[in-house]
Amino acid sequence: DIQLTQSPSFLSASVGDRVTITCRASQGISSYLAWYQQKPGKAPKLLIYGASTLQSGVPSRFSGSGSGTEFTLTISSLQPEDFATYYCQQLNSYPLTFGQGTKLEIK
Amino acid sequence: EVQLLESGGDLVQPGGSLRLSCAASGFTFSTYAMTWVRQAPGKGLEWVSAISGSGDTTPYADSVKGRFTISRDNSKNTLYLQMNSLRAEDTAIYYCAKGLLGLQFWCIDYWGQGTLVTVSS
Repeated sequence: DIQLTQSPSFLSASVGDRVTITCRASQGISSYLAWYQQKPGKAPKLLIYGASTLQSGVPSRFSGSGSGTEFTLTISSLQPEDFATYYCQQLNSYPLTFGQGTKLEIK
Repeated sequence: EVQLLESGGDLVQPGGSLRLSCAASGFTFSTYAMTWVRQAPGKGLEWVSAISGSGDTTPYADSVKGRFTISRDNSKNTLYLQMNSLRAEDTAIYYCAKGLLGLQFWCIDYWGQGTLVTVSS
């Protein structure tokens, strides 16, 4: 099974900050990686797929990059509504695993 | 508008069975892969199983293989998850989710609101 390790697990930042979350895969997964945002009590929301393609309706301050085993999600200028938990998911091979999550909190 | 409405969550004893359903609307159901994802209280997301649009591909997480069965009825626009030999560690919110079109067809673009399964004596 492919393991996904996100870093950091917790991140404290301020409105306006630029933040980067990393997702590392235990094996190469090409560009078969997605990023989701989840707020408390809500279902997750798709942000990025194919490692770097922005889902329709997602603000352009979100961007994704990487291929193979190392991927990043960047938020260029944090907004109050961005404080949430972020998950990566690999879609290259079964089982289709998620990372453990990164909780982004307000500093 | 895409809508996914899960049902069937309940309190069940260890060793028991439960069938979850997900009624889909707002898209051509048979065209899209569908997925079940679960989230234990206070924990992260765990992928459970998925099914292709035709139903001929059904991968499972190791933790549920042999106990859970995913299926779909394209005539009823409904996704199912039959859960047998339930364990305490299966306690979670179970989300039904819809896939994208194209090469990234397992990627989830819409999620239901979830149904709670509690396994406890």
